[in-house]
Parts: sequence; structure tokens; C-alpha cells
Amino acid sequence: GQQVMQIPQYQHVQEGEDFTTYCNSSTTLSNIQWYKQRPGGHPVFLIQLVKSGEVKKQKRLTFQFGEAKKNSSLHITATQTTDVGTYFCAAVGGSNYKLTFGKGTLLTVNP
Amino acid sequence: GAGVSQSPSNKVTEKGKDVELRCDPISGHTALYWYRQSLGQGLEFLIYFQGNSAPDKSGLPSDRFSAERTGGSVSTLTIQRTQQEDSAVYLCASSPRQGGETQYFGPGTRLLVL
Repeated sequence: GQQVMQIPQYQHVQEGEDFTTYCNSSTTLSNIQWYKQRPGGHPVFLIQLVKSGEVKKQKRLTFQFGEAKKNSSLHITATQTTDVGTYFCAAVGGSNYKLTFGKGTLLTVNP
Repeated sequence: GAGVSQSPSNKVTEKGKDVELRCDPISGHTALYWYRQSLGQGLEFLIYFQGNSAPDKSGLPSDRFSAERTGGSVSTLTIQRTQQEDSAVYLCASSPRQGGETQYFGPGTRLLVL
């Protein structure tokens, strides 16, 4: 089945530093989604990317979909303590449209 | 409107007992997923229901785990003869038409097996 590899597994930054997490697949993806899970909470949808080379921004968050539609990244500029949480990418694979999640990147921010 | 709800929010049980976890998806959503998340870990896929199709049970870790979805709406995840390693948060998610769309997660059920 579809697999997405996400790196790094953990990232600790000082408040104000930038942060990036990457999601990679060996196969072409039809689309990719990103979710955020705050500590103690449940995953919440952030965004979906569909087009090759697509870039979308949400305030300090920038999402990119690779030209080959095999990788994606989430970049946070000038992190804040409110950015703490685990960021998951997710992609569709197979004929049953099952969404498969990466293992996530846990971001901690030192104030 | 109402989101995905799960019950109970917390469940403490003794090893060997059976438990039932319930998920009420968003009304009209045809796709429903169950995941398991151990402390500090990622989302472990358990089972996926899509409309009237046969469920994808490929993630169920053992035959002690089963799930059903009645009337295309409410789903119940049953764990028989619980073990301590079953302790985790069990998350349910639904999506509108097919699984590849945005998933809306419930708050989860925290299961502790003593």
C-alpha cells in the first residue's frame, strides 16, 4: 500500500527559529494533506495540495508540493510556542482511496 | 454543526475484559476510519469503512479486534480479552464521500488496561 516517509521524527527549536518537516513517497501522489495535533488533542486538518509544484501559505506556514508530486514540505517561519505539536502528512493510495499518514514530526519550541 | 463524537472519553478496564468503543461520525459522511495512537507515537491505522464496500481490515493487530458500522453511520470498535499493550488512545475519523478527502477526527477514547 501507499507509504509516506516523514522526517525528521523530532525537532526542537528556539522560539523565533524556522522549522521544516518533509514528506516523501516513492510513488506519485494524487494529493497530499497536512494535519496538526496539539499535545493531548486530536489531529486537525491544515491544508491539501493537489497540483504539481503547488505552494500555499497560511500566515507563517508555507506548504509545498514537489514538481514530481512525490514529496512535500511544511515550513514554519519564526516559530512560536503555539506551534508546538505533531505535524502529519497524509496521502491517498490504492484503489480504495485510503488515506495513509506519515509517522509525524514532533515539534517542541523553547521560549 | 456537530463534529465527530466518541464515547467513552476514558475507559479503564482490567486485563481480560472486553471493551466497546463508539464513534458517531459527522452526519452524511460515508468514510470512517479507526486509528490507535500510543503515547508519543504516530497514528496506527486499524480499519476503514467506505460506504457499502467491504471494510479494509488490514490494520487490525489481532483477531481480538473487530469493528462494525451499522446503517452506514455509527461505528463500534470491540476489543476482546484486553491486554495491557492495548492501552492507547483510539481515534475515529470520518470524511464526506471517500477516504481520500479531508478527515475530521473525534476527540478519541483513552483506554487503560490494568
